[in-house]
Amino acid sequence: EIVLTQSPATLSLSPGERATLSCRASQSISTTLAWYQQKPGQAPRLLIYDASTRATGVPARFSGSGSGTEFTLTITSLQSEDFAVYFCQQWHNWPPMYTFGQGTKLEIK
Amino acid sequence: EVHLVESGGTLVQPGGSLRLSCAASGFSFSTYEMNWVRQAPGKGLEWISYISDSGTTMYYADSVKGRFTISRDNAKNSLYLQMNSLRAEDTAVYYCATEAVIGGWFDPWGQGTLVTVSS
Repeated sequence: EIVLTQSPATLSLSPGERATLSCRASQSISTTLAWYQQKPGQAPRLLIYDASTRATGVPARFSGSGSGTEFTLTITSLQSEDFAVYFCQQWHNWPPMYTFGQGTKLEIK
Repeated sequence: EVHLVESGGTLVQPGGSLRLSCAASGFSFSTYEMNWVRQAPGKGLEWISYISDSGTTMYYADSVKGRFTISRDNAKNSLYLQMNSLRAEDTAVYYCATEAVIGGWFDPWGQGTLVTVSS
């Protein structure tokens, strides 16, 4: 099983600041990685797929990068609505054994 | 508009059974692979099951293999999860999620249905 490790577990920042979230895979997964945002009481929302492609309707302040085992989600100039939990997910293997990272909580400082 | 609505979640005793449903609308359901993902209270996301667009191929996470069965009825635009031999650790919000045609990411997701396993 491919393990995804996210860091930090919690990130405390102020609106307008830049957020950098990390996701590390236990083995190389090329660019088969997605990022999701989840707010309390809501389902996850797709932000990024293929490591760096923004999903439809996702603001340009969200960007993804990386390949292999190291991935980053960057949010430039944080808005109030960006404070949430972020998960990464991989789909490298077949048959599917999809796995998620444990999440990073982005909170207001 | 693409829409997924789960139903069937409730309180059930350990060892009991439950069937979850996911009603799809706004897209060609029969051409998409589907998945169930769950989230225990205050915890992260766990993929638990996949089904092909035709319904002929299914996969499961080890945590539910042999106890849960995924199925679909393309004529009714519906996805199902039959859950047997339920345990306390199966307590979670269960989401149905559409798998992308050209990759393994999930979009969109339903709003989820809560299953509580407790005596």
